[in-house]
Amino acid sequence: DVKVTQSSRYLVKRTGEKVFLECVQDMDHENMFWYRQDPGLGLRLIYFSYDVKMKEKGDIPEGYSVSREKKERFSLILESASTNQTSMYLCASNTLPREYNQPQHFGDGTRLSIL
Amino acid sequence: AQSVAQPEDQVNVAEGNPLTVKCTYSVSGNPYLFWYVQYPNRGLQFLLKYITGDNLVKGSYGFEAEFNKSQTSFHLKKPSALVSDSALYFCAVRDGASSGTYKYIFGTGTRLKVLA
Repeated sequence: DVKVTQSSRYLVKRTGEKVFLECVQDMDHENMFWYRQDPGLGLRLIYFSYDVKMKEKGDIPEGYSVSREKKERFSLILESASTNQTSMYLCASNTLPREYNQPQHFGDGTRLSIL
Repeated sequence: AQSVAQPEDQVNVAEGNPLTVKCTYSVSGNPYLFWYVQYPNRGLQFLLKYITGDNLVKGSYGFEAEFNKSQTSFHLKKPSALVSDSALYFCAVRDGASSGTYKYIFGTGTRLKVLA
């Protein structure tokens, strides 16, 4: 079974801090994704990566950056955390979408609180 | 632009009764449709998908979904609900016409509550 592991389940940080969220997958997937989940808004895509060192902005990239130095690891960075970034963050991965029909595999999420 | 709508924030059903969780979509090409379930404090788990073929798709845990092209719907169903089915359900779509894009669009989620 595919395993997507997010390094922290719960994280509390202060405004202005630089925050790193880490995600590792063990199935050699090409694609990795970062979403944030907020009540009533569903999942919104922040960034995704389709290869090492490759990234593309999603729908809400402002205030975030990402890093993918190795295929299995995809990091989300909050450059200067703000209270409106308090949310649940979900990492996901899947294989190359030859037919665009591959489901995503999700980690258990990181619940981030910015005080 | 592609979009997906889940019109109900919450669905309540008695244990043993059939359940339906609704999803409608809008895409420019052929739709690739997915259902996921999220249990408390967990990530999303894949339930089933529709790509082509039979309009009735069977998935995990006894769930199935019916694809209706004319109504642009992909409703999730189960003949007999269990208390353990209580969770948050998400519908998602990819647009088959958008080659090269990796984007999935998720609905806002429907909370299913199965009452004993």
